[in-house]
Amino acid sequence: GNSVTQMEGPVTLSEEAFLTINCTYTATGYPSLFWYVQYPGEGLQLLLKATKADDKGSNKGFEATYRKETTSFHLEKGSVQVSDSAVYFCALKGTGRRALTFGSGTRLQVQP
Amino acid sequence: DAGVTQSPTHLIKTRGQQVTLRCSPKSGHDTVSWYQQALGQGPQFIFQYYEEEERQRGNFPDRFSGHQFPNYSSELNVNALLLGDSALYLCASSLAYLDNNEKLFFGSGTQLSVL
Repeated sequence: GNSVTQMEGPVTLSEEAFLTINCTYTATGYPSLFWYVQYPGEGLQLLLKATKADDKGSNKGFEATYRKETTSFHLEKGSVQVSDSAVYFCALKGTGRRALTFGSGTRLQVQP
Repeated sequence: DAGVTQSPTHLIKTRGQQVTLRCSPKSGHDTVSWYQQALGQGPQFIFQYYEEEERQRGNFPDRFSGHQFPNYSSELNVNALLLGDSALYLCASSLAYLDNNEKLFFGSGTQLSVL
């Protein structure tokens, strides 16, 4: 079955540091890949997505590239802000499937 | 434009009881999915409703059932509650024929505690 593995947190960074959150997946076919963000007390929000190999999703300074050869979709940001503190979830949607499969989430804490 | 709204926000029940959670999708959306998020875990897919029918189901027992109404709102029912059902229940809405049903909008969830 489909699965998503992401690095455990919490990840603690100083403001303006470079961020990488690793995500790898297992799926048959050609899944779509997503990063969702959950701010305290709020619902999940779609951060970015990529639907085919070598696609790069980007939003609000965050980027992730769909790497089929390494089955990865790592999230990066060049300079994090305190306001980026949240829990980040990597997810996939399998071909012909209606459900999203989520990783366990990575908590990011950015200190001023 | 109201987003996805869920009610209630918090709920406390005892083992063996039954619970109903409610969801109103984002305006214009016709598809509702339900997810269970245990503490410290990612959401797990329960089921999806479209055109008032359950279209796909995750690995959850029959104690979990749902319904979609003609106005696209939805209910999640859980019977014979177990301690392990304690979790945040998330509703997500989408438009079936837009973005391959991939652009989900999530509500803030209902926090269910089973004592």
